Amino acid sequence: GQNIDQPTEMTATEGAIVQINCTYQTSGFNGLFWYQQHAGEAPTFLSYNVLDGLEEKGRFSSFLSRSKGYSYLLLKELQMKDSASYLCAVVDSNYQLIWGAGTKLIIKP
Amino acid sequence: GAVVSQHPSRVICKSGTSVKIECRSLDFQATTMFWYRQFPKQSLMLMATSNEGSKATYEQGVEKDKFLINHASLTLSTLTVTSAHPEDSSFYICSARDGVSGGDYNEQFFGPGTRLTVL
Repeated sequence: GQNIDQPTEMTATEGAIVQINCTYQTSGFNGLFWYQQHAGEAPTFLSYNVLDGLEEKGRFSSFLSRSKGYSYLLLKELQMKDSASYLCAVVDSNYQLIWGAGTKLIIKP
Repeated sequence: GAVVSQHPSRVICKSGTSVKIECRSLDFQATTMFWYRQFPKQSLMLMATSNEGSKATYEQGVEKDKFLINHASLTLSTLTVTSAHPEDSSFYICSARDGVSGGDYNEQFFGPGTRLTVL
């Protein structure tokens, strides 16, 4: 079956760095997305990786290793507004999005 | 970036009534639209995938006669929850994929969601 694993919840301190991991086992691979979702709102796009390596976009970076079925989202200089759920989603061979359950990130002052 | 709107943003209805939710892609043509449901503190659950001009493909366990999906144009898809019951209360989110003008073919652009409460 298809499976996306990410931690349920993480806590970090304002100004610090946090890494949210995502491992996947899917039928085929056509890219991996990270989305941010604040409570009561729809997800918003953060990043897309289809090749191995690190993609940096401001305070957020996303890494992919296809051979290991692994990705991480790195958040730097954490701000209180970064408190949200972070969803990992993989595009499978049928171009369907397979969603992880999300990681709730709690930022403390 | 591409914009997707949803209407209404919030709806409260009585049990047994039908509710229609609209999803529109405002600045691109969406060949494919997706409908998700999300219960509190849970991840997104894909309900169905709709392609413009054809019947929607429903995920296992989703009743197609209860959740009617129409994707009549490249910018509009509707989800009708028929004979709604309290257990249908949830956050319904649509997303759209731009398969016409190019760009990242795989990216889905999300609407703001519709919170349905059935009394």
